[in-house]
Amino acid sequence: AQSVTQPDIHITVSEGASLELRCNYSYGATPYLFWYVQSPGQGLQLLLKYFSGDTLVQGIKGFEAEFKRSQSSFNLRKPSVHWSDAAEYFCAVGGTGRRALTFGSGTRLQVQP
Amino acid sequence: NAGVTQTPKFQVLKTGQSMTLQCAQDMNHNSMYWYRQDPGMGLRLIYYSASEGTTDKGEVPNGYNVSRLNKREFSLRLESAAPSQTSVYFCASGAALDTQYFGPGTRLTVL
Repeated sequence: AQSVTQPDIHITVSEGASLELRCNYSYGATPYLFWYVQSPGQGLQLLLKYFSGDTLVQGIKGFEAEFKRSQSSFNLRKPSVHWSDAAEYFCAVGGTGRRALTFGSGTRLQVQP
Repeated sequence: NAGVTQTPKFQVLKTGQSMTLQCAQDMNHNSMYWYRQDPGMGLRLIYYSASEGTTDKGEVPNGYNVSRLNKREFSLRLESAAPSQTSVYFCASGAALDTQYFGPGTRLTVL
């Protein structure tokens, strides 16, 4: 069975500081990997996705993520965080053939001025 | 382009009442999904539909039914609501290689 672990429930960073959100997955084959962001009271917006090829993927809003097969990780990074990045971030894995995603429990990001 | 739309945005029910959550997408996607989101648990799949006329159970289907009315619409029905069904419900539609696009959600409270 596939699973996703986001070990950090809550992270606080200062505006302008760098950010890394951790994601570890369990999947039997090459996974499809996603990061979504959810602002308060909103739906989920796709930040970026990995299917194959270059293991460093670029997304919207200046985010990037790196797929590391040896570590079963897909960590999300941003060089300089903005106050508007405060939200909840979800990592997800797909590729079951049923096209259903399995989500992590989320990391809530707080940005201090 | 509206993407994925859901109605209603908010709903309060009493235990035992029934209701239907509506979802529509205008992206011509074959696959559609219903998830529920509970604090600290991420999103869990309730039901999905790989194509018009087909539906299948997800991780937490008990207490729910679905209808794939046509390619655009996928509804979720609670026949007899229970307090354990208090949650935020998201509909999504799926594009190639598992990418999914989400609606704004329905916040349901069952008293």
